[in-house]
Amino acid sequence: AQKVTQAQTEISVVEKEDVTLDCVYETRDTTYYLFWYKQPPSGELVFLIRRNSFDEQNEISGRYSWNFQKSTSSFNFTITASQVVDSAVYFCALSDQAGTALIFGKGTTLSVSS
Amino acid sequence: SQTIHQWPATLVQPVGSPLSLECTVEGTSNPNLYWYRQAAGRGLQLLFYSVGIGQISSEVPQNLSASRPQDRQFILSSKKLLLSDSGFYLCAWKDYIEAFFGQGTRLTVV
Repeated sequence: AQKVTQAQTEISVVEKEDVTLDCVYETRDTTYYLFWYKQPPSGELVFLIRRNSFDEQNEISGRYSWNFQKSTSSFNFTITASQVVDSAVYFCALSDQAGTALIFGKGTTLSVSS
Repeated sequence: SQTIHQWPATLVQPVGSPLSLECTVEGTSNPNLYWYRQAAGRGLQLLFYSVGIGQISSEVPQNLSASRPQDRQFILSSKKLLLSDSGFYLCAWKDYIEAFFGQGTRLTVV
C-alpha cells in the first residue's frame, strides 16, 4: 500500500530563515511520481513540483529547492530566506504509475512571521 | 487548456438534509477524477476516485457516495448529512502524471 508521511505538523519560523519540510513515502511500485502542493488560506491547492521515480536530480526554483533520495524514500522541500507569503499548508503526495491513486500526506502548516 | 469547475464554493446545510456537489472538467477526455475531503486542521483524505463513466472506487466507507454520469462530470452526494460531514471538499482530475484541483467547497453542516 502507498503511504506518505509528513511528520512535521506545524513549523514556525521568522522571515529570512531557511526551512525544510520533510516527506517520507512508501510504495512497492518501481515507477511513481512525487508532488508538492501549497495550500494558502484561500484553500485552493497550488501545484509546486512533480518528480518521477527515475529522476533523482535535485531541483531549484527560485527560493524553493527539493531533495529527492530514493535510498531513504524521502522528498524534502526547502524554502530559502522564507517570507510571510510562504505561510500556508504544504502537502506532499504520491501517485502510482497508472495514476489511479493520488495519496497525500497530512500536510505541514508553515507559519512565517515578520 | 484544461480547467476544472467545482461548485458551490460554500454551503451550509442542516443535519439530515441531502447533498450534491458537482465537478466538471474541460479540455481533456477520460480523465481520472477524485473527491477529497479536508476536515478542519487535517490533511487531505481521498474519498472516491473514478477512472471512467460509471466506475467509482471508494477509499473510505462513510455517509457519502459518488457518481460519474458523464466522462467529465463527477458528483458527490449524500442522502442525509451528518455533522461530521463538515469540511472542505476538493475535486481533482489527473492525467498521466499531474493533478489539477478545483477551488473547493466549504461545507458546514449545522
